[in-house]
Amino acid sequence: GQSLEQPSEVTAVEGAIVQINCTYQTSGFYGLSWYQQHDGGAPTFLSYNALDGLEETGRFSSFLSRSDSYGYLLLQELQMKDSASYFCAVSFMDSNYQLIWGAGTKLIIKP
Amino acid sequence: SQTIHQWPATLVQPVGSPLSLECTVEGTSNPNLYWYRQAAGRGLQLLFYSVGIGQISSEVPQNLSASRPQDRQFILSSKKLLLSDSGFYLCAWNTPGTGGGYEQYFGPGTRLTVT
Repeated sequence: GQSLEQPSEVTAVEGAIVQINCTYQTSGFYGLSWYQQHDGGAPTFLSYNALDGLEETGRFSSFLSRSDSYGYLLLQELQMKDSASYFCAVSFMDSNYQLIWGAGTKLIIKP
Repeated sequence: SQTIHQWPATLVQPVGSPLSLECTVEGTSNPNLYWYRQAAGRGLQLLFYSVGIGQISSEVPQNLSASRPQDRQFILSSKKLLLSDSGFYLCAWNTPGTGGGYEQYFGPGTRLTVT
């Protein structure tokens, strides 16, 4: 079956750097996406990796290793507004539509 | 620009009552449309998706159904709610051909409590 694993909670200090890991077991892997969701809000798209390597978007970067079935989201210069849940999600070659979602990582930022 | 609307924002319904949640998208044509449910502290579970008017695919067998009567309208329904139907219901859309459907845009959600 398809499964994703990510830590349930990560704590970091304002201004620091934090890495949120995601490992997956899927067949027909196409790419790995990351979404941010604030409490009570809707998920918003952050980044996507289909190829190995690092993608950078401002303070956020995402990395993928297809051979290791592993990716991570890196958040730099943490701000209090980054306190949220972060989800990894996998898309598949044989489906243009379906995403399989991880359970999410709650990021707690302390001043 | 594109916008997505969902209503109502919150809903409290008794067990056995019917349900109708509506989602509309503006500013785009022929979008893929999705209904998700999220339990507290959990990831998103895909319930239904649609690639066109009248075309509905169900991912999870349950007492829910979906319809797409117009290009940019997606409706989630139930004839009789169960306690287990409580959750945060999210509608999303994306553009066909965005390989793997990786970038989806979500509405504000409906928080449903079945009592």
